[in-house]
Amino acid sequence: EIVLTQSPGTLSLSPGERATLSCRASQTVTNNYLAWYQQKPGQAPRVLIYGASTRATGIPDRFSGSGSGTDFTLTISRLEPEDFAVYSCQQYGNSPRTFGQGTKLEIK
Amino acid sequence: QVQLQESGPGLVKPSETLSLICTVSGGSISNYYWSWIRQPPGKGLEWIGYIYYTGNTNYNPSLKSRVTISVDTSKNQFSLKLNSVTATDTAVYYCARHAPGFHDYWGQGTLVTVSS
Repeated sequence: EIVLTQSPGTLSLSPGERATLSCRASQTVTNNYLAWYQQKPGQAPRVLIYGASTRATGIPDRFSGSGSGTDFTLTISRLEPEDFAVYSCQQYGNSPRTFGQGTKLEIK
Repeated sequence: QVQLQESGPGLVKPSETLSLICTVSGGSISNYYWSWIRQPPGKGLEWIGYIYYTGNTNYNPSLKSRVTISVDTSKNQFSLKLNSVTATDTAVYYCARHAPGFHDYWGQGTLVTVSS
C-alpha cells in the first residue's frame, strides 16, 4: 500500500501569511490521483483539490495544489481566519486508498 | 444537494458486530461508488471500503476479513458491518460518495465506541 507522509505535523502561522503543506508518497501515485481535504473540529472532511491540482467546486483560488509522482504540495496563498484546520492528503490511484496523517494549521 | 446520514448504535461490545447504515438523499445512489471511512479519536482517516450501486465491492486488506458492505438501491442506502470488534475499532465512521476516486460528499460522521 502507498504510505503518505505529511509535513510538518503542525504549522503555526498568522492570518495573511502563506502556508505550504507537503505530502510525500512512498511510491508513485498513479495518474497523480491525489486529493487534499480540510477538516475542522467536529466536522467531516471537505475536498479542496483533486487530481493533484484541480480545485473542487466552490473552493477559493487562494488554495492551490501542485506536484506529481511522489511529491505533492498544498499552498494557501493568504491565510484567512477560517483556514485554520487540519489538512489531509489522499491518494486514490492505487488500492487500497490511503490518507496522510494530517497537518494541523494553527494560528500563531 | 446530495446529503448522506449515518445511523446505528453508538456503543458496541467487544467481539460483537458493528452495523451502520448510510442513507443518501437529494440524489440517487445509482451510478456512483460509495465508501466507508473511519477516524479514530485524534488520528488520521482510514478508508474501509467501497461499493458500487451494482453491488461490486473493494475492501481495505487490513479489514477485509471482518468487513461487509452492502447496498439497497430501493431505499437509497448502503451499509457497513464490521465483525469481531475490539477497542481499536473505536472511531468516527463516515460514509462518503466517490466523485470518482476522491470523496465529494460526506456524512456528518457517527462515533462508535467499542466497550463492555
